[in-house]
Amino acid sequence: QKEVEQDPGPLSVPEGAIVSLNCTYSNSAFQYFMWYRQYSRKGPELLMYTYSSGNKEDGRFTAQVDKSSKYISLFIRDSQPSDTATYLCAMSASAGSARQLTFGSGTQLTVLP
Amino acid sequence: SAVISQKPSRDICQRGTSLTIQCQVDSQVTMMFWYRQQPGQSLTLIATANQGSEATYESGFVIDKFPISRPNLTFSTLTVSNMSPEDSSIYLCSVAQGASDEKLFFGSGTQLSVL
Repeated sequence: QKEVEQDPGPLSVPEGAIVSLNCTYSNSAFQYFMWYRQYSRKGPELLMYTYSSGNKEDGRFTAQVDKSSKYISLFIRDSQPSDTATYLCAMSASAGSARQLTFGSGTQLTVLP
Repeated sequence: SAVISQKPSRDICQRGTSLTIQCQVDSQVTMMFWYRQQPGQSLTLIATANQGSEATYESGFVIDKFPISRPNLTFSTLTVSNMSPEDSSIYLCSVAQGASDEKLFFGSGTQLSVL
């Protein structure tokens, strides 16, 4: 069993839809949770960064962490064609420790105009 | 966030040859990281490049295959040596920033195809 599981998709939605992207994990020590967006032929860019449980909102994006269920989500409201990308979750047990950062395999999202 | 320039952006190479990938950052950083991204798989850390000391390699990666240089605080290179088709992948340079170096920022990657 992988330490971080992420549904690879592909996921295709119409413009304006609410998108839910999810990751589950097995390591209860994880405290720092990130979402990266990766456009085709580009490197991943940090989208959301959260610590411990709870929600964090940034514009149309909301990151949600449920440590009791070992489950994190990224919600995209009013999705746009420009949101078409692969979304990667990542997590670690401690800050400032890239060597311990564990990534999901990514979910490919297409938003249709 | 740091601006990371990586080149080449893509290359097609013959089996048995070597390719050196360059990574330039617009600010001084303590650690630079090299990742591999294979289709359908999660990002895998190859090594951490430290200025002034040897790189730290992760399990499954060795210096002879992936030699790394870090001549200063803004530049690093990764060489993929004696390539085989199994080395075909995207290679990414990354730096950590933030109050506790908790956030990773990536270059645009090098798409490598080995024939």
